Amino acid sequence: GDSVTQMEGPVTLSEEAFLTINCTYTATGYPSLFWYVQYPGEGLQLLLKATKADDKGSNKGFEATYRKETTSFHLEKGSVQVSDSAVYFCALSQGAAGNKLTFGGGTRVLVKP
Amino acid sequence: GAVVSQHPSWVICKSGTSVKIECRSLDFQATTMFWYRQFPKQSLMLMATSNEGSKATYEQGVEKDKFLINHASLTLSTLTVTSAHPEDSSFYICSARVPGFDEQFFGPGTRLTVL
Repeated sequence: GDSVTQMEGPVTLSEEAFLTINCTYTATGYPSLFWYVQYPGEGLQLLLKATKADDKGSNKGFEATYRKETTSFHLEKGSVQVSDSAVYFCALSQGAAGNKLTFGGGTRVLVKP
Repeated sequence: GAVVSQHPSWVICKSGTSVKIECRSLDFQATTMFWYRQFPKQSLMLMATSNEGSKATYEQGVEKDKFLINHASLTLSTLTVTSAHPEDSSFYICSARVPGFDEQFFGPGTRLTVL
């Protein structure tokens, strides 16, 4: 079946540092790929998505590119802020996000001032 | 954006009792809701897909008689954990799908502890 693997956290870094969270997947066909973010005490929110190979999703300074050749969807941000402290989940669906989602284990990111 | 709430946010119960968790879409009608379970430091696992007015579709390995799902209205789905046991202790999260949009909106989750 489909699966998503992402780097374990926690990831601790200083403000304005570069952030990368690795995500790889195993799936049949051509899934859609997503990054969700969960801020403390809140529900998961869609951060960005990509629906086909070589697509780049971007939002709030975060970017991720759908790499079919390496089955990866790594999340990056060039300069993090304290407010980016959260848990980040990589996910895929065989279709749109309204369909069933398969999640990675989540990566906690802590940004220190 | 669309808001999904869950109630309660946490609950502690004795082994053998049943617990009901509510998931509400506050500002939209949700024809489809999803229930997930998350173990500590682990991924969210889809338990079932709930469609308004019809029976829920359970994922393989999820006991439908153990985890009763009711989606009686377009804004409310409930998950009842029947005869709860300590191994049912977990974080339960729901999401709702907005008709016409391809995005799911998630509730904040409910932490269940069974003593």
